[in-house]
Amino acid sequence: DIQMTQSPSSLSASVGDRVTITCRASQGISNFLAWYQQKPGKVPKLLIYGASILQSGVPSRFSGSGSGTDFTLTISSLQAEDVATYYCQKYNSAPWTFGQGTKVEI
Amino acid sequence: QVQLQESGPGLVKPSETLSLTCSVSGGSISSYYWSWIRQSPGKGLEWIGYIYYSGATNYNPSLKSRVTISVDTSKREITLKLNSMTAADTGVYYCARDSGKTYPLLGLLDVWGKGTTVIVSS
Repeated sequence: DIQMTQSPSSLSASVGDRVTITCRASQGISNFLAWYQQKPGKVPKLLIYGASILQSGVPSRFSGSGSGTDFTLTISSLQAEDVATYYCQKYNSAPWTFGQGTKVEI
Repeated sequence: QVQLQESGPGLVKPSETLSLTCSVSGGSISSYYWSWIRQSPGKGLEWIGYIYYSGATNYNPSLKSRVTISVDTSKREITLKLNSMTAADTGVYYCARDSGKTYPLLGLLDVWGKGTTVIVSS
């Protein structure tokens, strides 16, 4: 199975900071990469798919990029409501696998 | 707005079979793929498998020998059965809907239930 590795595992930043999370696939997955946000005590929420396409309703401060094996999720100006764990997920083929998560704190 | 609600026993004994139900309300169960995903501190998010409303299934190879997912469209329910439970199966179990945005490619989960916690212990 293709393994998804995220870095860092956690980070702390200030409101207004630019935050970048990296996800690396053990094999190329083209752009079949999604990002999910899971706030404390809540369920995962689809943020981005196709590596860079924002799901409807997602604030424009979120962006994604990458192709092949290396991907990034960027929050251009961190807000208090962005405190969450972020997961990448590959969906080029089953089994769909997730990264281990990156916890973002203020 | 479609809503999903998982239900089932919160406590299961080792070697027993887990049976969970996902009830779909507020939207159609037809023409969608429905997944089960679990989350544990040790393994993070793990996709278990999916079922189409027609009954076609696909399971994670790591669990395939122990998993059965079924659908009852008349009851608007998706059922997960996982046998030979061990402590490693402890976690929160979610059902989720595939968005269909990238069909025929699947895997984008846009609606999730709130999850149900399952503990495996004697």
